[in-house]
Formats: sequence, structure tokens, C-alpha cells
Amino acid sequence: GENVEQHPSTLSVQEGDSAVIKCTYSDSASNYFPWYKQELGKGPQLIIDIRSNVGEKKDQRIAVTLNKTAKHFSLHITETQPEDSAVYFCAASYKKPGGTSYGKLTFGQGTILTVHP
Amino acid sequence: KAGVTQTPRYLIKTRGQQVTLSCSPISGHRSVSWYQQTPGQGLQFLFEYFSETQRNKGNFPGRFSGRQFSNSRSEMNVSTLELGDSALYLCASSLAKGLNNEQFFGPGTRLTVL
Repeated sequence: GENVEQHPSTLSVQEGDSAVIKCTYSDSASNYFPWYKQELGKGPQLIIDIRSNVGEKKDQRIAVTLNKTAKHFSLHITETQPEDSAVYFCAASYKKPGGTSYGKLTFGQGTILTVHP
Repeated sequence: KAGVTQTPRYLIKTRGQQVTLSCSPISGHRSVSWYQQTPGQGLQFLFEYFSETQRNKGNFPGRFSGRQFSNSRSEMNVSTLELGDSALYLCASSLAKGLNNEQFFGPGTRLTVL
């Protein structure tokens, strides 16, 4: 089955710096890669996702890049703010052509991001 | 639009008991997935339901089961509870139509088994 490795497990940055979290996946058939942010006492919140036909996607201060050949994808957060402090999870999934769901996300172990004011 | 709701938010049970957790997806969403989150194992997929049918299943024992109703609401049941079942149980819903397959999570049910 799919296996997703996420690094680093903890990341501490100063406000205004950039943060990068990296994930590798094992199943070359995986074609959907979401990132989630989880704050204390809450469920994971989808912040950005990318599909395998795209190499990069950006949404304001957040960007995700995908390298299918190397089977890794990364989350980039620029101009970090204290409210970015949370646990971030990457995930991978496979959707069959013509299928209707990306069910069964395989998650990385999470990165605890701390942004110091 | 209301998000995914899960009830109850907190549960305390003893070993050997059974428990039923409920999930109401976002209105119009047809797929509901369940995940278990623990400090040691992280987020692990339990199963996914679509149109009242189980479409995918993770590597959990048969004590874990679920179902989906015609209104897309879903329940999961854990029988013969063990201490290791203590976890945050998360439900995620998806429109599951065309490219709209993003999964949106609820706040979870915190289950403690004593």
C-alpha cells in the first residue's frame, strides 16, 4: 500500500520567515496530494491541494510543488505569521480514471510548525 | 453552509463496551470517510462510504464497522472496546463529483476507553 513520509517533524521559524515541509510517497499511482492544517482541538483543515497533472500551485502565501519523478511534494509558506502555528499534514491518494472519489487518504506523520513573533 | 458535524464530541467508555459515533456531512456531499487519529499512529483511514455502500476499507479489525444512510449521514461502531481504541475519530465528507473530491473534516469525537 501507499506510504507517506513527512519531514521535518518539528519546525520553528521567526515571523516573516519562510517555512518548507517535505513529503515523499511510495505509490507512483497516487495522483492527488492535499495538505491539511490542524489546530489544537480541531479537525484537519484543507489548505491547498495538487493533482498529478500539475507541477505547482499557489494560493496567496501558500504554495505546493510536486515532483512526480522523484515522488515528492512540498508545502511552502512565505511571510509566516504566528497564526500559522499548527500541525501540518500531507497526504496522498489515488483516484481511478472515471472514479468519483479520492477516498482513502494516506497521511504523513505531521509537522509541528511554530512561528515566533 | 454548515460544515461537517460529529456527535458526540467526547465519550468515555470502559473496556468491552461498544460505541456508536455519528457524522453529518456537508449538505450535498455524498461521500463520508472515517479516520482514527492517535499520537503514535497518526491519521489512519478506517473506511469510506458512498451512496450507502462501503467503497474502501483500511486495515482495522472487524470490531470497527460503519454504515451510511440515504441522507448521506454516517455512523461508525466499535464493539468490544479495547484500551488502544482511545483516539480522536474524524469524519470527512466529499462532494465526490467530477474533480470536486476534496475531503473536509469535522471536529472529531474524542473517545477515551478506561
